[in-house]
Amino acid sequence: GENVEQHPSTLSVQEGDSAVIKCTYSDSASNYFPWYKQELGKGPQLIIDIRSNVGEKKDQRIAVTLNKTAKHFSLHITETQPEDSAVYFCAARSNTGNQFYFGTGTSLTVIP
Amino acid sequence: EPEVTQTPSHQVTQMGQEVILRCVPISNHLYFYWYRQILGQKVEFLVSFYNNEISEKSEIFDDQFSVERPDGSNFTLKIRSTKLEDSAMYFCASSDVRNLGGYTFGSGTRLTVV
Repeated sequence: GENVEQHPSTLSVQEGDSAVIKCTYSDSASNYFPWYKQELGKGPQLIIDIRSNVGEKKDQRIAVTLNKTAKHFSLHITETQPEDSAVYFCAARSNTGNQFYFGTGTSLTVIP
Repeated sequence: EPEVTQTPSHQVTQMGQEVILRCVPISNHLYFYWYRQILGQKVEFLVSFYNNEISEKSEIFDDQFSVERPDGSNFTLKIRSTKLEDSAMYFCASSDVRNLGGYTFGSGTRLTVV
């Protein structure tokens, strides 16, 4: 089955700096890659996603890149703000199933 | 914005007892899911449910687990005889069949088996 690895597990950045979180996946059949943000006491919330026919997608300060050949995808947050502090999860899903395979999460702290 | 609602937020139960975790998915969603997250570990898939039947389940989802949609709004996860290792955060999620994208997750139920 699919195996998703995520790095780093913790990340601290100064407010205004950029943050990058990286994930790799193992199953070349995976074709959909969402990113979730989880704030304390809440469930994961979808913040951005990318499909395998696209190499990059951007939504304001958040962008995701996908390298299908290398089987890795990354989340980029620019001009970080304290409210970006949360746990971020990457995930992958193939076109043959419903389930997502999640990474282990990255705890992002933005220092004011 | 529509939400997936889970109750209770925290449940403590004795080992061997049955527990039922409840979820109210978004009203026009047709696919429903349960995931769990043991402390410090990955979010793991348990089961997906569509058209009143299980469409996919993981190895974790053994005979001790069952799901049910008893009425038009609730979606429940039952654990028949809880074990210590069932202690985890359980997340319910739902999705619209026309948007095979990301799910909407609930805020989770923290289950503690003692």
